[in-house]
Amino acid sequence: DTGVSQDPRHKITKRGQNVTFRCDPISEHNRLYWYRQTLGQGPEFLTYFQNEAQLEKSRLLSDRFSAERPKGSFSTLEIQRTEQGDSAMYLCASSSLVSSSSDTQYFGPGTRLTVL
Amino acid sequence: AQSVTQLGSHVSVSEGALVLLRCNYSSSVPPYLFWYVQYPNQGLQLLLKYTTGATLVKGINGFEAEFKKSETSFHLTKPSAHMSDAAEYFCAVTNSGGYQKVTFGTGTKLQVIP
Repeated sequence: DTGVSQDPRHKITKRGQNVTFRCDPISEHNRLYWYRQTLGQGPEFLTYFQNEAQLEKSRLLSDRFSAERPKGSFSTLEIQRTEQGDSAMYLCASSSLVSSSSDTQYFGPGTRLTVL
Repeated sequence: AQSVTQLGSHVSVSEGALVLLRCNYSSSVPPYLFWYVQYPNQGLQLLLKYTTGATLVKGINGFEAEFKKSETSFHLTKPSAHMSDAAEYFCAVTNSGGYQKVTFGTGTKLQVIP
């Protein structure tokens, strides 16, 4: 069990560019979550997958944001036409649907996005 | 609906002193409560959690928390602070149903003074 991994760890981009982040959950974890954390704040829920199905999206997730989990394993989060307000840490978490720890989300190290 | 309030965005303690980080929650259903720790530029690490059963829960690194339903609180304590405890701590709440959307507090930065 290698934990949740995220790639890249840091991304600097210019306003208007598109960026894509990847999250690899703990193997066999059915549930995958994306959160956004801005400076001085706690993480805020963005979206949730159970296997490949995206079951909920926060109102924070504007039309410029899209997330996928095509095979029910890794997930990608894409931001189109980035804005300076998108600068944040993007955290991925996973949890198991069936285990003694199904109530616990395990977090990755995050991807820090800076939009210039 | 659920929410978390963490009292004090910054807390300073001397090395060896008691650590007390406060968390109050609001939930319309029985809550599951968590404390996570975050070191600079890293993700969140679970310290401890309360789901059901014993209201005093022990976690890693000597931390513990007590669920008090009457006070809607879940304060985090450690008897003796260590320099390595300096980090940001987040209290979080979810519920026992569905997929457990987690709501986090705004965090408390703990400074440990030598």
